[in-house]
Amino acid sequence: QSVLTQPPSASGTPGQRVTISCSGSSSNIGSKTVNWYQQLPGTAPKLLIYNSNQRPSRVPDRFSGSKSGTSASLAISGLQSEDEADYYCATWDDSLNGWVFGGGTKLTVL
Amino acid sequence: EEQLVESGGGLVQPGGSLRLSCAASGFSVSIDYMNWVRQVPGKGLEWVSIIYSGTITYYADSVKGRFTISRDNSKNTLYLQMNSLRPEDTAVYYCAIDTHSRERADHWGQGTLVTVSS
Repeated sequence: QSVLTQPPSASGTPGQRVTISCSGSSSNIGSKTVNWYQQLPGTAPKLLIYNSNQRPSRVPDRFSGSKSGTSASLAISGLQSEDEADYYCATWDDSLNGWVFGGGTKLTVL
Repeated sequence: EEQLVESGGGLVQPGGSLRLSCAASGFSVSIDYMNWVRQVPGKGLEWVSIIYSGTITYYADSVKGRFTISRDNSKNTLYLQMNSLRPEDTAVYYCAIDTHSRERADHWGQGTLVTVSS
């Protein structure tokens, strides 16, 4: 049972826009910024979004993040086949003194 | 090139011990925040432990009292001493670091597999 809640799966066709949600509580998302990680099949996770809406320079601007209250979202526009991966939200939890992750969302590009 | 390379994984019996290492190279700035994150094959990510500001450490409840995180700055290496291992500790263990914040990791290693089984 993950502290943060994500839908287990999402899908879209090439070119579409998809969003992935992440729900938490006041001790994590409600008071901290959210990070998103992309894990391509058979590889280690990579930081995709940090501080809720910032992208590392290597990440295309098709990826964007937002946060409101105790929820956050990852949006992917202009969906491409190489976006097929698992996506995890994460943040620091003050009550646990550590990171907490969502259970992950498997994105399928149809 | 910035790189993290984990080592030390393998097969160990329940109740046994193992020490993982993560060697960092190619970083031009000091790495202050170093974590271990694990993943049961086919499952999600689970944060294990963090060390920062030299000596501040935190652990997930699932490993507290059994695992110890440490670092050797002279060798740019992070360690995870794992004692009293249980079958549920079986996972790929990733080293994950950040140079700016304890709340994220912008560099990850390739992972090392730990299997706890008799």
